[in-house]
Amino acid sequence: KAGVTQTPRYLIKTRGQQVTLSCSPISGHRSVSWYQQTPGQGLQFLFEYFSETQRNKGNFPGRFSGRQFSNSRSEMNVSTLELGDSALYLCASSWVAGHEKLFFGSGTQLSVL
Amino acid sequence: SQELEQSPQSLIVQEGKNLTINCTSSKTLYGLYWYKQKYGEGLIFLMMLQKGGEEKSHEKITAKLDEKKQQSSLHITASQPSHAGIYLCGAGLSGEGGSEKLVFGKGTKLTVNP
Repeated sequence: KAGVTQTPRYLIKTRGQQVTLSCSPISGHRSVSWYQQTPGQGLQFLFEYFSETQRNKGNFPGRFSGRQFSNSRSEMNVSTLELGDSALYLCASSWVAGHEKLFFGSGTQLSVL
Repeated sequence: SQELEQSPQSLIVQEGKNLTINCTSSKTLYGLYWYKQKYGEGLIFLMMLQKGGEEKSHEKITAKLDEKKQQSSLHITASQPSHAGIYLCGAGLSGEGGSEKLVFGKGTKLTVNP
């Protein structure tokens, strides 16, 4: 059974650009959550989607957005990139929504120059 | 302020030694999760604790939940180099509209020297 797949693995962008990250959950999982991880702030919750609906969101500016498709695959978008957006972005999936056992992808390492 | 505080932030031990990592919440804990992360990789689920006083073990790792103290501890017995990594605790907290979100501590970096 394939795990959570995130693409791309690495990404380099410049300030002001936008970026789209992709996440394919484990087959059958309907909940997808996104996290941002930085050395200073640790792992911070971005948002969670369940059955194509945003179920919860963290305290991030509107530049951060996401969506989930009917096949449960999810994308997150960051517009007008800032240097502080450099981070490891992790996606996690689970069978149900809420705080459950999560299966994480390997992440997308985003560097903003 | 951080909702989940972990201590210590980093730990270096000699192979074979025992160690304990703590996770303290600023709010009442109704459940707590422990994950392990290799540098630059995703998190791997270790254990979930849901009841006060609950204790779970997997191989040489034991986790306990003390709801009264709003604290959980992760204990590794006879550490091995394979135990090295970053250990994170996570807990479900109330979010918007009554839903819950999973928040994490900043992690404890464990180094095990052979």
